[in-house]
Amino acid sequence: KAGVTQTPRYLIKTRGQQVTLSCSPISGHRSVSWYQQTPGQGLQFLFEYFSETQRNKGNFPGRFSGRQFSNSRSEMNVSTLELGDSALYLCASSAPRAGTSNEQFFGPGTRLTVL
Amino acid sequence: DQQVKQNSPSLSVQEGRISILNCDYTNSMFDYFLWYKKYPAEGPTFLISISSIKDKNEDGRFTVFLNKSAKHLSLHIVPSQPGDSAVYFCAASAAGGTASKLTFGTGTRLQVTL
Repeated sequence: KAGVTQTPRYLIKTRGQQVTLSCSPISGHRSVSWYQQTPGQGLQFLFEYFSETQRNKGNFPGRFSGRQFSNSRSEMNVSTLELGDSALYLCASSAPRAGTSNEQFFGPGTRLTVL
Repeated sequence: DQQVKQNSPSLSVQEGRISILNCDYTNSMFDYFLWYKKYPAEGPTFLISISSIKDKNEDGRFTVFLNKSAKHLSLHIVPSQPGDSAVYFCAASAAGGTASKLTFGTGTRLQVTL
């Protein structure tokens, strides 16, 4: 099976712009989660989509949004970019099953730099 | 509020010896704990997990121990190999595996020296 893919891998934007990141999950996985990784902060959960519906949301401002399509592909959007949004954005897919650890499979990430 | 904590940012171990990575948590609702390994420029890779109803899970060179009363878990790697050099993240989830929100620690960088 192909792994989780994310595009683009690298992105440079300026403050005030907006950005859209894309994620294609592993075939058959209906859950897609997004995380932000910054130095010293570890991975912080942004949101999760399952069957085109946002099922979970982390503590991020409304500038961060996402959506999921019928083929389970997901996009994440950040509007009015700030310098502090510079980070590695990771997408993970999974096939949630009750009674399991529900391990998530991560893509390589998109490195966003805001100037 | 850091619900999952990895208090050691780095660890150096000689090849062949045991590596012990530690993790503490505060949320009693967590029912699964996972360890991920991350190389630079790659996404995290799942290593091993443990249910909160168990106290040990083993997979090859990797063993995870869970002490619920102390809200502490550890990952043991025996023997350590140079290829194990990476950042290790501890993560936790709640809601019986159906929720996909993982709460991560800040990571421990493991360096395995020759």
